[in-house]
Amino acid sequence: GESVGLHLPTLSVQEGDNSIINCAYSNSASDYFIWYKQESGKGPQFIIDIRSNMDKRQGQRVTVLLNKTVKHLSLQIAATQPGDSAVYFCADDLNGNKLVFGAGTILRVKS
Amino acid sequence: NAGVTQTPKFQVLKTGQSMTLQCAQDMNHNSMYWYRQDPGMGLRLIYYSASEGTTDKGEVPNGYNVSRLNKREFSLRLESAAPSQTSVYFCASSEWRVAQAQYFGPGTRLTVT
Repeated sequence: GESVGLHLPTLSVQEGDNSIINCAYSNSASDYFIWYKQESGKGPQFIIDIRSNMDKRQGQRVTVLLNKTVKHLSLQIAATQPGDSAVYFCADDLNGNKLVFGAGTILRVKS
Repeated sequence: NAGVTQTPKFQVLKTGQSMTLQCAQDMNHNSMYWYRQDPGMGLRLIYYSASEGTTDKGEVPNGYNVSRLNKREFSLRLESAAPSQTSVYFCASSEWRVAQAQYFGPGTRLTVT
């Protein structure tokens, strides 16, 4: 993940549309990646993870895509709902030693 | 199954005061972690405990101490609080240390004046 300081990027989507949230990572040796959702005033909530031997993994309404060539990770949320509004951030396992967290992207769902 | 619990939820300290943040997990996880989260920044690791009986420094350990009391509990202590320690503190746990999903508690919002 990467930090963007005090101003997090924001993605606004219409209810029912699909959302795509992107994340870049810096270490080509990372072999485990994870997405979290954090609602205001709450702790981060695990959404989905993926290992580097895969390039796609699907969960309920969510899909994670991993492109190791360009060190890019994305989270796709199908049929976005108001309850999906939150900060989403990725993390990668740096050298199998610790998780490195990005600052996140704000997802706003318009009804 | 409560997952990861933290106490207190909120705390205000004066500079120089001390306090201990408590964390417990009921998932039988081996590894536990303490993070701080500041506005617009990613979670930063303060200390972690890979397994019962061990603790190690993370990215920002200065001004903090930890105790892995048993497999369930991992506490974070601020010996002499400073305004720079104003933050939201999260405890997390995972089954093992490496390449595992970490599960977070609800956080403690700490203000140091």
